[in-house]
Amino acid sequence: DAKTTQPNSMESNEEEPVHLPCNHSTISGTDYIHWYRQLPSQGPEYVIHGLTSNVNNRMASLAIAEDRKSSTLILHRATLRDAAVYYCILRDVYSGGGADGLTFGKGTHLIIQP
Amino acid sequence: GAVVSQHPSRVICKSGTSVKIECRSLDFQATTMFWYRQFPKQSLMLMATSNEGSKATYEQGVEKDKFLINHASLTLSTLTVTSAHPEDSSFYICSARALGTPTYEQYFGPGTRLTVT
Repeated sequence: DAKTTQPNSMESNEEEPVHLPCNHSTISGTDYIHWYRQLPSQGPEYVIHGLTSNVNNRMASLAIAEDRKSSTLILHRATLRDAAVYYCILRDVYSGGGADGLTFGKGTHLIIQP
Repeated sequence: GAVVSQHPSRVICKSGTSVKIECRSLDFQATTMFWYRQFPKQSLMLMATSNEGSKATYEQGVEKDKFLINHASLTLSTLTVTSAHPEDSSFYICSARALGTPTYEQYFGPGTRLTVT
């Protein structure tokens, strides 16, 4: 899987939007961009994924640069429960039919201030 | 939504003993399950991939004789840490994927914290 680069940590205030960046300059044409998050002492949970177009779901939005070399996870209104480590992961669309596990980088530790 | 459970959530054992961790998919059939390990302040590292009814595939550097994985049914995989030592103390997390679902749909368990004294 191609490598991603994320800031080690970010801080935001409660009820404000949060933009979490991810650089993936070596992304290939068949790589999906996935975001997972891990709350303290819990297993990761899926947040969102996309290929080329921006995506929205109930948890977040994903904005993908036109050249796909970077993306931004957007939490529209952060709450204290959003404090977690956020992982940006690239997955080849043909990745073994899901037979491969995920490769986690260091992620971004998001701190939410009340 | 799909739920994956792990048991126990925490376990403390003495050095030299073996510990079994269970991973269950509660409302779907998991053809593939993955086991990860996470040391404090580090990221998750994939240990092995198990497919129901076949032998697990281990990542480089993971001792298959030490970390025994059994995936005997479509809803249960077990990880047994044999002859545990303090350096095996870690957070063990499983994930599961259902047959026919997109590759992004991987559901994680809540993790098991193992402490070896």
